[in-house]
Amino acid sequence: QSALTQPASVSGSPGQSITISCTGTSSDVGAYNYVSWYQHHPGKAPKLMIYEVNNRPSGVPDRFSGSKSGNTASLTISGLQAEDEADYFCSSYTGSYTGVFGGGTKLTVL
Amino acid sequence: QVQLEQSGAEVKNPGASVKVSCKASGYTFTGYYIHWVRQAPGQGLEWMGRINSNSGGTNYAQKFQGRVTMTRDTSISTVYMELRRLRSDDTAVYYCARVSPVAFDYGGNGLEYWGQGTLVTVSS
Repeated sequence: QSALTQPASVSGSPGQSITISCTGTSSDVGAYNYVSWYQHHPGKAPKLMIYEVNNRPSGVPDRFSGSKSGNTASLTISGLQAEDEADYFCSSYTGSYTGVFGGGTKLTVL
Repeated sequence: QVQLEQSGAEVKNPGASVKVSCKASGYTFTGYYIHWVRQAPGQGLEWMGRINSNSGGTNYAQKFQGRVTMTRDTSISTVYMELRRLRSDDTAVYYCARVSPVAFDYGGNGLEYWGQGTLVTVSS
């Protein structure tokens, strides 16, 4: 199972909006609505930001939103804040109770 | 509160095996699967597999089939991940994780609770 494809890096200024894409195939992202997004600060455990394409866990700001079209899922962060600077990973169910992550995107807040 | 406490860092020689533990607390241990995810230096997250903490049933990523074994001890609410025939590219931080109670437990979906990570270094 190949890793999902994410851009290596994105950047934005405080207050702006950015979108991170996550491209898979018709066997993973395109086939199931079990796409999640994780925020990862180096040295800490990953934090769940979005699950099942567009659901936010309790405590995650509504500045974070998810969507999916075909084989590509997206994470949008609006009203960028300095503390949003981190690595972001997507994941998808791939069938047979297995999963795959994306390669990760480094978000820089300028 | 849900907590996952992992064992400490390990240094292993190539060809050896490593066994990492993950002790769960704050919830009914047998009610959830535990997943294992790793991150090699400078690399992305990698889903390795999951274990049913009740039955012991497992699902492994194809890449690790034959080299990984996940087990559990319900008497002490602990899950173990053993990786054999270690190579230098197995050097990574290994995490255990549990799904959110409101998410479907499919693949890497909805992993809300994570251990602190265990660094495994493979070097001669």
